[in-house]
Amino acid sequence: AQKITQTQPGMFVQEKEAVTLDCTYDTSDPSYGLFWYKQPSSGEMIFLIYQGSYDQQNATEGRYSLNFQKARKSANLVISASQLGDSAMYFCAMREGMTGGFKTIFGAGTRLFVKA
Amino acid sequence: GAVVSQHPSRVICKSGTSVKIECRSLDFQATTMFWYRQFPKQSLMLMATSNEGSKATYEQGVEKDKFLINHASLTLSTLTVTSAHPEDSSFYICSARVGGDRGSHYGYTFGSGTRLTVV
Repeated sequence: AQKITQTQPGMFVQEKEAVTLDCTYDTSDPSYGLFWYKQPSSGEMIFLIYQGSYDQQNATEGRYSLNFQKARKSANLVISASQLGDSAMYFCAMREGMTGGFKTIFGAGTRLFVKA
Repeated sequence: GAVVSQHPSRVICKSGTSVKIECRSLDFQATTMFWYRQFPKQSLMLMATSNEGSKATYEQGVEKDKFLINHASLTLSTLTVTSAHPEDSSFYICSARVGGDRGSHYGYTFGSGTRLTVV
């Protein structure tokens, strides 16, 4: 069963505007973590932001914020004031707790194109 | 922060030969490392989990005899693609678990990846 779903294979955003990348997940483990990674064309994986299942507040890291809606099992990434350098592949990932063996599974990714 | 160094970044090999990819944790001890494979325009697929001093745990469908993983020390894990064939051409990324099991956003750090081309 698909555990991480990213429904947007590609997204376009105008430079300086905000964009939301969608991510939904499925788990029965009460303890889990949600991550967003950026993968530029060079292939490296860059950690962006983390949200723990018990965290009360939505995570923020600079221009990145995570819209965590636990009841809906969604963890959307919001990038404010998009920059040309934000053009990349973005992956949502989930790490389950004990029952998941602490492995991280990834969504299919969303390719973001920032237009000048 | 925790850094994982992965080498080589790019390798081209002939069909039938073996290729070794190294993943080193530079400033921390990595008891657990993960090896991923990524096909073009696709997500990362977990291949195996490597624990220091014990046998790796392979995901379903991954040939353990073809993808040999060795995690002999707390700072080094290697993936050897044996008798490589063109269909093994892919991008391989290692990842190390860092810190505690709960709530740390430094839970995983990635190597820079290895692009393998088998000709």
